[in-house]
Amino acid sequence: KNEVEQSPQNLTAQEGEFITINCSYSVGISALHWLQQHPGGGIVSLFMLSSGKKKHGRLIATINIQEKHSSLHITASHPRDSAVYICAVGETSGSRLTFGEGTQLTVNP
Amino acid sequence: ETGVTQTPRHLVMGMTNKKSLKCEQHLGHNAMYWYKQSAKKPLELMFVYSLEERVENNSVPSRFSPECPNSSHLFLHLHTLQPEDSALYLCASSPSLAQETQYFGPGTRLLVL
Repeated sequence: KNEVEQSPQNLTAQEGEFITINCSYSVGISALHWLQQHPGGGIVSLFMLSSGKKKHGRLIATINIQEKHSSLHITASHPRDSAVYICAVGETSGSRLTFGEGTQLTVNP
Repeated sequence: ETGVTQTPRHLVMGMTNKKSLKCEQHLGHNAMYWYKQSAKKPLELMFVYSLEERVENNSVPSRFSPECPNSSHLFLHLHTLQPEDSALYLCASSPSLAQETQYFGPGTRLLVL
C-alpha cells in the first residue's frame, strides 16, 4: 500500500464544473505538496501547505492534519486544466518527498 | 519558464550504448534531484545531491551513475540499460534539503530497445 493515496485515479468533467481531487497519507508530515504535470512531462508546483487552506486563482488546496487528508479543488474548470495532478508529502523523518500516483483530469469543452 | 533545463528531451538507445542525461538549474539552488517516472507509477526518487555531495542513493542499479560537478549541473550517466529502464527521467532542484518547493525540469523521455 502506497503511503500516499489519491482519488480518483481518473476524472472527466465538463467545462465549468467544480472539481475535487483527494489525497490521503499514512505518515507524519511536515508539508504536503500539490503538483501539476501536463502532457509532455513538465511538472509545476501548485501549492505547499502544512495547515489550513491556500488559494491561487481558481485553485484551492486544503489540508486536515488530524485526518491526514488533503483536497485540491478547481472552480469553473477549463479544458486547459486537463493534466495529471500529483500529491506529495514531505515526511517529518527526512527531507525526501513521497508521491501519490496522480489523478488524470480531463476537462471537456 | 522553470529555470531547470534538461537535455536531451528524448533519447532512444540500445542496451549496449552509453549515454548521459544533463540537467542545469539557473536558480541558485543548492539541492538537486533525479527522479524516474514509469507509466502508472508514482515518481521514484533516485539520487539527491546537496552542495555537490550525494546525500541519498535510493537503491538504484549501478547502470545509473550520477555526477554533480557543481551546484548548477547534474548528470545521469547510463550504460547497459534494460528495456524496463524506459521511462521519463526528471531533474529537480530546491534551495536546500529542507522541505521546500522543488522546481522540475521538463524531463528526458528515454526508450531502451
